[in-house]
Amino acid sequence: KNEVEQSPQNLTAQEGEFITINCSYSVGISALHWLQQHPGGGIVSLFMLSSGKKKHGRLIATINIQEKHSSLHITASHPRDSAVYICAVSMNYGGSQGNLIFGKGTKLSVKP
Amino acid sequence: GAVVSQHPSWVICKSGTSVKIECRSLDFQATTMFWYRQFPKQSLMLMATSNEGSKATYEQGVEKDKFLINHASLTLSTLTVTSAHPEDSSFYICSAGQVNTEAFFGQGTRLTVV
Repeated sequence: KNEVEQSPQNLTAQEGEFITINCSYSVGISALHWLQQHPGGGIVSLFMLSSGKKKHGRLIATINIQEKHSSLHITASHPRDSAVYICAVSMNYGGSQGNLIFGKGTKLSVKP
Repeated sequence: GAVVSQHPSWVICKSGTSVKIECRSLDFQATTMFWYRQFPKQSLMLMATSNEGSKATYEQGVEKDKFLINHASLTLSTLTVTSAHPEDSSFYICSAGQVNTEAFFGQGTRLTVV
C-alpha cells in the first residue's frame, strides 16, 4: 500500500512569497498528481507528473522518481492562491487508470 | 480539458431516506469512475471503483448494500446512499480519467443527514 506524506500541513505566507510544498510516497507509481481544493470542496487538477518538471504560469511541479519525492512551487504568491493543495499518486493496473491515493493536503493561506 | 459533472452539489435529507448522486463525463467515455468520500479535515478516501457494465469494487469497510453504485453507461455513474444516517454526512466526490491522463473531478456533493 502506498503512503503519501505531505509537508507542511499548514502554511501561511505573505503575498509575493515563494512557496514550496513537499510530497513523498513509499512505493513506485505511474504518476503523481497535484490538486487544488477550494473551500467549497471542488477539486482542480494542477499537474500530472511521471518525471521531470512541469510549469504552468506561476506554478512549478517537480518529481524525483529515485527519491520518491515531489515538490510544488508557487512563485509570487497571491491571496487567491489560498486553498488546500493535495498530492496524490496513481498506479496503473493492466492498462487501466488506477484510483488515486491522497496525501492529507497542505492548507495554504496567503495574506495580502 | 475533459469535464466531469456531479449533481447535486449539496443535499440535506432526513435519516432513513435515500439519496442519489450522479456523476457524468461530459466529453469523454469513462469505463471506470471512482467515488471518494472526505470527512472534515481529513483526506479523500476511495470508497469504490465503478466499472461500466459490471459490478463496482468496494474498498474494505464500505458497505456495498448501503452505497449502491450503478454504472450503466460510459458517461454516467450513480452513487445511492440508502437509509442514510447522520454519520453518512460527508463530502462525496467522483473522478474519471483515462490511462496516463490527469484526473478529472466532479464538483462534489455535500451530504447532510438530519
